[in-house]
Amino acid sequence: SQQGEEDPQALSIQEGENATMNCSYKTSINNLQWYRQNSGRGLVHLILIRSNEREKHSGRLRVTLDTSKKSSSLLITASRAADTASYFCATAFAGGTSYGKLTFGQGTILTVHP
Amino acid sequence: GAGVSQSPRYKVAKRGQDVALRCDPISGHVSLFWYQQALGQGPEFLTYFQNEAQLDKSGLPSDRFFAERPEGSVSTLKIQRTQQEDSAVYLCASSSSRTGGGETQYFGPGTRLLVL
Repeated sequence: SQQGEEDPQALSIQEGENATMNCSYKTSINNLQWYRQNSGRGLVHLILIRSNEREKHSGRLRVTLDTSKKSSSLLITASRAADTASYFCATAFAGGTSYGKLTFGQGTILTVHP
Repeated sequence: GAGVSQSPRYKVAKRGQDVALRCDPISGHVSLFWYQQALGQGPEFLTYFQNEAQLDKSGLPSDRFFAERPEGSVSTLKIQRTQQEDSAVYLCASSSSRTGGGETQYFGPGTRLLVL
């Protein structure tokens, strides 16, 4: 079963605009990761944020994590047509014998129009 | 360096047929995961190996699913007597983490299985 929910399910913007995607989850986590998936390709890792971090940047990506609200957001600034893809958040559970297995949301489909 | 590779990329099977899906992880990666991704959904965990030991197979949907990693490198996911509901993309991921601390997982391109 899916761990959390992503919002929105689909997002359509113009090139140059910013895109924000949100993710909520249910249990305590070790870290949260964001992945991108293009049509017909595998998942590409974008960024990992640990449970003791609140914000992280990587190029045009900015991720925030609020463990009190069990939520995260991914901001893509100055979007490009090449950013068109599905974006997934994935959580790694804390404790037990989780072995770092990831639980994914259902994803946000981002379309960036040239 | 080389990433995670999977073969075949596409597989069409008749219902009842057995299939075997291969995963070559990144060299030296201790941890190997299999996930199943249904159309329009996020991936779901199937099983986890640390070296050759299968430490978690809680996500395998039935006893028709079997995975192995005999030498701690290449892994094979086998599905016996395939059913139409097995149609999905099967993703393999590897990680250098030895402690299961949830480090970055690197995914292969997946095998798209269609059961007719």
